[in-house]
Amino acid sequence: AQSVAQPEDQVNVAEGNPLTVKCTYSVSGNPYLFWYVQYPNRGLQFLLKYITGDNLVKGSYGFEAEFNKSQTSFHLKKPSALVSDSALYFCAAKTTDSWGKFQFGAGTQVVVTP
Amino acid sequence: EPEVTQTPSHQVTQMGQEVILRCVPISNHLYFYWYRQILGQKVEFLVSFYNNEISEKSEIFDDQFSVERPDGSNFTLKIRSTKLEDSAMYFCASRNRGQNTEAFFGQGTRLTVV
Repeated sequence: AQSVAQPEDQVNVAEGNPLTVKCTYSVSGNPYLFWYVQYPNRGLQFLLKYITGDNLVKGSYGFEAEFNKSQTSFHLKKPSALVSDSALYFCAAKTTDSWGKFQFGAGTQVVVTP
Repeated sequence: EPEVTQTPSHQVTQMGQEVILRCVPISNHLYFYWYRQILGQKVEFLVSFYNNEISEKSEIFDDQFSVERPDGSNFTLKIRSTKLEDSAMYFCASRNRGQNTEAFFGQGTRLTVV
């Protein structure tokens, strides 16, 4: 069975400091990996995805993610966090079949303090 | 920018009543999903839909649930006899053709069963 783990319920960081949100996956084959962000009372917004190739993926709003196949990880990063980055972040994995579902992690609440 | 729209934004219903949650996916998308989220926590997969039939469904998606794409634009989720534990935020998502395309989520319908 496929699963996605986000080991931290919450990450606290001061504005201007680097932000990392961790994600590991257990999915057969070579899954596609995604990060989504959710602001209060809103839907999930796509940030970035890993398909193949370069292990460092760049996405929206200055976010990037590093894929590590040996560690089965896909950590989200931002070099300098903003207060407006405070939100709930979800990692997701999808198998390579076209109709496959997205398996989400439990989510990590990011709190950026001024 | 095209978006997934969901109606209503909030639905209150009495236990045992039927509810229909409506979604208009992005027009050229081919894959459709329903997810739910309880109390801002984990995003749970309910069902995926492609080529006018269910591709996959979770254990949550029992006989009380059904989906339909009645007219080529709307995508509905019906709960026949609601239970208190069906109270959640329900998200519709759609995705374009291809194995690795990201899903676009609607703003959600908050279902409250009383």
